[in-house]
Amino acid sequence: DAEITQSPRHKITETGRQVTLACHQTWNHNNMFWYRQDLGHGLRLIHYSYGVQDTNKGEVSDGYSVSRSNTEDLPLTLESAASSQTSVYFCASSEGPYNEQFFGPGTRLTVL
Amino acid sequence: AQSVTQLGSHVSVSEGALVLLRCNYSSSVPPYLFWYVQYPNQGLQLLLKYTTGATLVKGINGFEAEFKKSETSFHLTKPSAHMSDAAEYFCAVRVGGSQGNLIFGKGTKLSVKP
Repeated sequence: DAEITQSPRHKITETGRQVTLACHQTWNHNNMFWYRQDLGHGLRLIHYSYGVQDTNKGEVSDGYSVSRSNTEDLPLTLESAASSQTSVYFCASSEGPYNEQFFGPGTRLTVL
Repeated sequence: AQSVTQLGSHVSVSEGALVLLRCNYSSSVPPYLFWYVQYPNQGLQLLLKYTTGATLVKGINGFEAEFKKSETSFHLTKPSAHMSDAAEYFCAVRVGGSQGNLIFGKGTKLSVKP
């Protein structure tokens, strides 16, 4: 069955370190999205991609970057981790503009 | 521009009681609307969606939602709550002109009392 996976599921890092969160989908979807989930804020969009070599900034993109070198993967990089980036991160993918998004299980990141 | 408002960050019902979770939206284009459920320590799962056509939409686990354009609402209901329905529920609207970007409400946590 097609799926979307994230790794690691839990990560503890220190302020200032670079961190990369992986997202891999086997749906063959063109669209991929990264969100962060924080209490009281719901889900907020960080970055998104509509296809290979395409990346776009979302609502809360400062301090984050993504790259899309193939259809299956959209890694999220925190260039210099900050305590404010402690959160749960979700990756999602969708087939097209009128279809639902499928979500990964999430990565819980703690920045000390 | 689109936005979503979920009324009530926390709703508590007794087992067997009606579940009603409220969602109001604003959209400058015909809306595509979604309800997702999130169980503890899991990702979001689609419950149901409205795109076009019938305004009463049935989803998984006995949930349904009605699209009411005049009220700009898309409330989620279930006639009889089960303990297993305890979760957080998110309403979302598609961003017009995008390739499927969604704007999410802040979520409603549903508790079910025995």
